[in-house]
Amino acid sequence: DVKVTQSSRYLVKRTGEKVFLECVQDMDHENMFWYRQDPGLGLRLIYFSYDVKMKEKGDIPEGYSVSREKKERFSLILESASTNQTSMYLCASKEGGVNEKLFFGSGTQLSVL
Amino acid sequence: GQQLNQSPQSMFIQEGEDVSMNCTSSSIFNTWLWYKQEPGEGPVLLIALYKAGELTSNGRLTAQFGITRKDSFLNISASIPSDVGIYFCAGEGVYNQGGKLIFGQGTELSVKP
Repeated sequence: DVKVTQSSRYLVKRTGEKVFLECVQDMDHENMFWYRQDPGLGLRLIYFSYDVKMKEKGDIPEGYSVSREKKERFSLILESASTNQTSMYLCASKEGGVNEKLFFGSGTQLSVL
Repeated sequence: GQQLNQSPQSMFIQEGEDVSMNCTSSSIFNTWLWYKQEPGEGPVLLIALYKAGELTSNGRLTAQFGITRKDSFLNISASIPSDVGIYFCAGEGVYNQGGKLIFGQGTELSVKP
């Protein structure tokens, strides 16, 4: 089975802190994604990557950056956390190509105080 | 950009009842996926649909890829308490970029024993 592992289930940070959310997948998938989930808004794509060192903005990239130095690891960075970034963050991965299934990690619930 | 409208937003049903939810879009999709998210977890794939008109079952769950390629529905028959969760539809658009999916807003299902 595909495993997508997010390093923290819960995080509490202060406004202005730099925050790193880590994600690792064990199936050699090309594509990796970061979503945030908020009640009533569903899943919104922040950034995605289709190869090492490649990244593309999603629908809501403002206030975030990403890093993909190795194929299995995709990091989401909040340069200066703000209270409106309190949310559930979900990492996902899939094979390259069309019609491939997307697999999610368990999520990181981030609270910014 | 492409958007998915998922309805209903929430459902409160009695155990044993059947459930139906659907997603619609103004644009065409190549793939429809249905996910379930339980509290504190990431979404888990239930059913994947790849062809217009396709009808696929997974136990008590049945999903269809609409003929127009702009909609999909998910039915759950004889609901049980463990069906509780948030159900998301997701689509892969025709002009897909890097394998990313578009998600609906989710349907929150509550089942009363």
